[in-house]
Amino acid sequence: DAKTTQPPSMDCAEGRAANLPCNHSTISGNEYVYWYRQIHSQGPQYIIHGLKNNETNEMASLIITEDRKSSTLILPHATLRDTAVYYCIVRVPIQGAQKLVFGQGTRLTINP
Amino acid sequence: DTEVTQTPKHLVMGMTNKKSLKCEQHMGHRAMYWYKQKAKKPPELMFVYSYEKLSINESVPSRFSPECPNSSLLNLHLHALQPEDSALYLCASSSHTSNEQFFGPGTRLTVL
Repeated sequence: DAKTTQPPSMDCAEGRAANLPCNHSTISGNEYVYWYRQIHSQGPQYIIHGLKNNETNEMASLIITEDRKSSTLILPHATLRDTAVYYCIVRVPIQGAQKLVFGQGTRLTINP
Repeated sequence: DTEVTQTPKHLVMGMTNKKSLKCEQHMGHRAMYWYKQKAKKPPELMFVYSYEKLSINESVPSRFSPECPNSSLLNLHLHALQPEDSALYLCASSSHTSNEQFFGPGTRLTVL
């Protein structure tokens, strides 16, 4: 299964954009990049996913490089509630379900 | 209802006990998952059920026994666990048409 590499921690000022990088150099052509976050003592929460193209939703934007070997999650206006562990994940296609291979995660701290 | 519920929230058991973890969802999802998460580590996939049939067992020891009695319920039966099995056990579900896994809040298990 493809592996992802993330920095262990990052800081960002409240109101600024938080840019979280992820390397996934062994990703296969049919494997999606997913991002989830986990706030302390809660289950992971879905943020966004993509295959080749850049994606945007109400929570974040996902920028995937053309060679698909890396991506960046962007939280455009970080708030204190965005403090969490952010996981970059490769979704492996399996019949009838999804297999999520979690990276080690980046602990993002938003500072006032 | 977009919620995955897990009971109990906390469980303490001895190495000779038999206990069960329960997971429930009423979103009509036909894929359900068990993950194990050790402190400060990412979730690791244990089992995947698709249409109530076990489709993936990630080489989990037999002291963990999953069961999917119907499309809304997923159990994890525990027997003769070791202290190193202490962890947060997360349940998740997904539909075959959506891109998102919904996670429950987890059961925090302590084995004495």
